[in-house]
Amino acid sequence: DTEVTQTPKHLVMGMTNKKSLKCEQHMGHRAMYWYKQKAKKPPELMFVYSYEKLSINESVPSRFSPECPNSSLLNLHLHALQPEDSALYLCASSQEAPGTGELFFGEGSRLTVL
Amino acid sequence: GQNIDQPTEMTATEGAIVQINCTYQTSGFNGLFWYQQHAGEAPTFLSYNVLDGLEEKGRFSSFLSRSKGYSYLLLKELQMKDSASYLCAVRDENTGFQKLVFGTGTRLLVSP
Repeated sequence: DTEVTQTPKHLVMGMTNKKSLKCEQHMGHRAMYWYKQKAKKPPELMFVYSYEKLSINESVPSRFSPECPNSSLLNLHLHALQPEDSALYLCASSQEAPGTGELFFGEGSRLTVL
Repeated sequence: GQNIDQPTEMTATEGAIVQINCTYQTSGFNGLFWYQQHAGEAPTFLSYNVLDGLEEKGRFSSFLSRSKGYSYLLLKELQMKDSASYLCAVRDENTGFQKLVFGTGTRLLVSP
């Protein structure tokens, strides 16, 4: 199984809603990532979890709250978002060193904030 | 920080060869990746270079020169399905194994 599965594929929410994005992988990878991608732009790193602990937070606003319940699951909790947060949210996983650390991406969750 | 530059857009003809360049500046180079991303889809891994030289994988090859801060992705026998964005990403040992910084991407359009 070389897949990273993300749900939902599409999400529309208002600025006062609370929603969550979910990500799952069964490749035994111990690093999991959230990236944000705007149209015609490269992915931007948001968070990294390594061995279920938050290892990188790229100064992401607190309205985005990551959670790693176990080594296979990664969530991104969304609250009080702004319209400019509309983007494709990509989850990825990778092996830790000494592998190459190539990222395996999910198909993404396309978020629209009204 | 890291500066990663790629051409914004390239066009090529089916069956031809195209070379997509990537230049980078980083203080602690620790690997360079190429990813392909079709519109509306997730990026998929193409190649990894950490030592100088050419890595060949079927129709795709990737080259690295660490002294010049330069890489290219070579696509041979282009097919229509190769129309996609190609992202160069660099790892810096000073920012850790897990942090990849992506270039702006090169959108390749293959025409018949």
